[in-house]
Amino acid sequence: GDSVTQMEGPVTLSEEAFLTINCTYTATGYPSLFWYVQYPGEGLQLLLKATKADDKGSNKGFEATYRKETTSFHLEKGSVQVSDSAVYFCALSAGEYGNKLVFGAGTILRVKS
Amino acid sequence: DGGITQSPKYLFRKEGQNVTLSCEQNLNHDAMYWYRQDPGQGLRLIYYSQIVNDFQKGDIAEGYSVSREKKESFPLTVTSAQKNPTAFYLCASSPRMGIETQYFGPGTRLLVL
Repeated sequence: GDSVTQMEGPVTLSEEAFLTINCTYTATGYPSLFWYVQYPGEGLQLLLKATKADDKGSNKGFEATYRKETTSFHLEKGSVQVSDSAVYFCALSAGEYGNKLVFGAGTILRVKS
Repeated sequence: DGGITQSPKYLFRKEGQNVTLSCEQNLNHDAMYWYRQDPGQGLRLIYYSQIVNDFQKGDIAEGYSVSREKKESFPLTVTSAQKNPTAFYLCASSPRMGIETQYFGPGTRLLVL
């Protein structure tokens, strides 16, 4: 079945460091790919998405490119801030109509000042 | 402001007791979802509903029940048959079937006394 694998955390960085969180997927067909962010004690917020191969999603300085050849959707940010500390989830669309989401386990990011 | 509300924020369940978690949305979305989040496991789909008076089981429906009598409401009941109910429960919605982006509520944390 469809699945998403994320790099294990926690990832601890100093402020202004470069961030990469790896995400790979297994899917039948051509799913859309998502990154969601969860701040402590809150629900998930959509961070960015990409709907087809080679698409780049971007938001708030975060970027991810849909790589069909490597089945990957790695999240990157050039300079992290303390306020970026959160849990990041990679997900893909699944199901007959593509509106069931399959999530990775999440990666905790901690940014130190 | 449009959005998804979940109540209560914290809920305590006694052994053998059924409890109901509320989820309301004023986004005029057709589709609604319930997820369970456990530490280190990401989110798993419990039930989803594409339209009023219709719902389907997700990946971990055993021990849970739902109803969808109104478009804006999708309550989840955690029954006594659910032997390990302690988790963070997240409700989500999307505009309609086939629209992949889901919007999440703030969540309810369920604890067993």
